[in-house]
Amino acid sequence: AQKITQTQPGMFVQEKEAVTLDCTYDTSDQSYGLFWYKQPSSGEMIFLIYQGSYDEQNATEGRYSLNFQKARKSANLVISASQLGDSAMYFCAMRDLLAAGNKLTFGGGTRVLVKP
Amino acid sequence: DSGVTQTPKHLITATGQRVTLRCSPRSGDLSVYWYQQSLDQGLQFLIQYYNGEERAKGNILERFSAQQFPDLHSELNLSSLELGDSALYFCASSPRGGGYEQYFGPGTRLTVT
Repeated sequence: AQKITQTQPGMFVQEKEAVTLDCTYDTSDQSYGLFWYKQPSSGEMIFLIYQGSYDEQNATEGRYSLNFQKARKSANLVISASQLGDSAMYFCAMRDLLAAGNKLTFGGGTRVLVKP
Repeated sequence: DSGVTQTPKHLITATGQRVTLRCSPRSGDLSVYWYQQSLDQGLQFLIQYYNGEERAKGNILERFSAQQFPDLHSELNLSSLELGDSALYFCASSPRGGGYEQYFGPGTRLTVT
């Protein structure tokens, strides 16, 4: 079974500063994918970034980067140069890439509030 | 805009009733997923369909059922509704033949009174 843990229920960050959101996972799967999604107050889920377990390089997408440490089973999201629009809930998720289905298992989320 | 559409946006109904939530995936996507987001359970996977066939099942109650039609839209049917079924229900779709990300619709907020 897969489990995702996000230990930070909420955090403040100053505008233009970087913020790191923690995500640890537990799985016996050999090949898996890690995802981050953003959920603003409007409710929609926005895909941010993906990291495969066999990817040698950390994933980056614009101001988002994923700090993947496989041995520590962590997949932290780094948001650089925070903007007011980054205020939202952030969810870490994972998926077994070899399973027949593609279900995502989500963590409990971290609420980020960017201060001007 | 993810390209995934869901209707209705909001739904208020009474306990014991039955409702149908509708989802249209992104153009070309064959897989459709349903997720439930509630305050006590968080975000949970319910069920996945691929090109009309059930592909994976999560913690979906027996009172809930889903299907995917030949035009690839999907419906989630919730019956004998209870107060605890109040939640945000998301539909997502993923690209055909590669790409691991799932694109979520705006969700249907169900309130059971």
